[in-house]
Amino acid sequence: DAGVIQSPRHEVTEMGQEVTLRCKPISGHDYLFWYRQTMMRGLELLIYFNNNVPIDDSGMPEDRFSAKMPNASFSTLKIQPSEPRDSAVYFCASSLLYSGQGSETQYFGPGTRLLVL
Amino acid sequence: KQEVTQIPAALSVPEGENLVLNCSFTDSAIYNLQWFRQDPGKGLTSLLLIQSSQREQTSGRLNASLDKSSGRSTLYIAASQPGDSATYLCAVRPGHTGNQFYFGTGTSLTVIP
Repeated sequence: DAGVIQSPRHEVTEMGQEVTLRCKPISGHDYLFWYRQTMMRGLELLIYFNNNVPIDDSGMPEDRFSAKMPNASFSTLKIQPSEPRDSAVYFCASSLLYSGQGSETQYFGPGTRLLVL
Repeated sequence: KQEVTQIPAALSVPEGENLVLNCSFTDSAIYNLQWFRQDPGKGLTSLLLIQSSQREQTSGRLNASLDKSSGRSTLYIAASQPGDSATYLCAVRPGHTGNQFYFGTGTSLTVIP
């Protein structure tokens, strides 16, 4: 398996532009997570899905952020309009639940490094 | 809400030394705790996962312990090597419902050759 795939790996955009981050989870995993990592706040959970359904979006900072999971193999995180304070590394992770010892771990993608000018 | 703290924030040791990284959490009602490694510019890689009923887990030179009642976990690295240089994060899963983790801010480890 190729692991969790994220695109793009780097994104530089100007304030006010729309940004779309993409994630392909590991095949067969039924949970998908979006995180944001900054020096100031560390790793923060933004939203997670179970079987393509959003379960908890309490970490989404503002209405400018939205996430979708149209099918089991694809998810997007959209920021519209983007602001400089959105600059961070955004990680996607996937996992299984209750399927055996050790398999509840989350597998992380390489991240998307976003810079909003 | 669960709060996870890691001390120290940074650690520098000479090669070959044994070391301990600390993680503390505020709510002892956890389902499991996991230690991750993050290399610069990369995602997180799981090292060890300890279920709430377990006291420790070992993998090679790594040993993680869990004391739920005191809200603490330690990651012991034996005979450190330069390749161990990375940021180590602990994450706590609070309960059976859902599968979310609360992460600490990490300890940045540098092993000096």
